[in-house]
Amino acid sequence: QSALTQPASVSGSPGQSITISCTGTSSDVGYYNYVSWYQHHPGKAPKLIISEVSKRPSGVSNRFSGSKSGNTASLTISGLQAEDEADYHCSSYTGSTNLVVFGGGTKLTVL
Amino acid sequence: QVQLVQSGVEVKKPGASVKVSCKASGYTFTTYDINWVRQATGQGLEWMGWINPNTGNTGYAQKFQGRVTMTRTNSLSTAFLELTSLKSEDTAVYYCARAVGADSSSFPYWGQGTLVTVSS
Repeated sequence: QSALTQPASVSGSPGQSITISCTGTSSDVGYYNYVSWYQHHPGKAPKLIISEVSKRPSGVSNRFSGSKSGNTASLTISGLQAEDEADYHCSSYTGSTNLVVFGGGTKLTVL
Repeated sequence: QVQLVQSGVEVKKPGASVKVSCKASGYTFTTYDINWVRQATGQGLEWMGWINPNTGNTGYAQKFQGRVTMTRTNSLSTAFLELTSLKSEDTAVYYCARAVGADSSSFPYWGQGTLVTVSS
């Protein structure tokens, strides 16, 4: 199972919206509705912000939303804030020996 | 509240082994699998495998099979990751993580991470 493909970096200004893509295959992202997104600030543990493609855990801002089309999942952050600057990782269930596959991570810069 | 607390920084020489612990609290330890995920500097997250604390059953990513062993001590509510034949490429922060609910690949609970440095 190869890693999921994410853009290395994205940027946006405060108040704007950005979208991060996560491309897998028909064996992972395209087959299962088990795509997760994590926000990761340096030196801290990753924080789950989206599970099962589009579900927000309790306490996560509704500025974060997830979707999927075919083999590509997407994370949209609306109303960008300075504290959103972090790395974002996607993951998918695969159902194979390599049960979970992650993306390479995307660095979000808030200009 | 659910907490996963990991052991401290490790510095190892190439060829050596490392064992990292993950102590769980705030829930019944045997109820949920513990997963291990690592991140090398500048790289993405990498899933290594899981252990079912109730049965001791494990599942390892193909990349690590033969070099990784995941165990647990239920009386201590602690899971362990052992990685052998360390190489410089194993230098990374290692995390334990726990799922919840039907999606066993989604991790709302993480340990604080353990930095393992492999250097001669």
